[in-house]
Amino acid sequence: KQEVTQIPAALSVPEGENLVLNCSFTDSAIYNLQWFRQDPGKGLTSLLLIQSSQREQTSGRLNASLDKSSGRSTLYIAASQPGDSATYLCAVKGGFQKLVFGTGTRLLVSP
Amino acid sequence: NAGVTQTPKFQVLKTGQSMTLQCAQDMNHEYMSWYRQDPGMGLRLIHYSVGAGITDQGEVPNGYNVSRSTTEDFPLRLLSAAPSQTSVYFCASSPGPSSYEQYFGPGTRLTVT
Repeated sequence: KQEVTQIPAALSVPEGENLVLNCSFTDSAIYNLQWFRQDPGKGLTSLLLIQSSQREQTSGRLNASLDKSSGRSTLYIAASQPGDSATYLCAVKGGFQKLVFGTGTRLLVSP
Repeated sequence: NAGVTQTPKFQVLKTGQSMTLQCAQDMNHEYMSWYRQDPGMGLRLIHYSVGAGITDQGEVPNGYNVSRSTTEDFPLRLLSAAPSQTSVYFCASSPGPSSYEQYFGPGTRLTVT
């Protein structure tokens, strides 16, 4: 059974720092990995989608990497801002529609 | 496009009551899913559908019923609500299987007393 772990569970940094969020998964037979952002009381916003054949994806200050063989992904946020404060979720898609989520990293960026 | 919409945003039920959570998408996506989100457990798949008339169970299907009569709508029915079903429910859709991105609705916060 696929299990997804995100470390750390919470992270607090001062504005301007570069930071890395980690995601690991136990079964490397995945179709893709998706990073989401969730603001308190809100839905999920898709940030980046990495297909299983890709190594990384970039969008603005965000860069996500995927190492399928080791079961790891990282989300790199450059020059963090207070507006980046949110919970970040990673999810892997195995068979068909089955998206398996981690429990998230809660990020707080202080001015 | 409105994307994925869910109603209601909030709902309080008494134990034993039934209700339907509504989900609709206007992107002509074939694939739709329901997830629940509980503290410390992440999101878990309840039911999913790969097209009109076709549904299947996810990880935590007990106590829930779904049907898919149109491409646009995918309602989730709670047959007899229990306090263990207190959760935030998210509907998602995707244009295709496997490699495609999933889009999520804003969620329904359900409390069962």
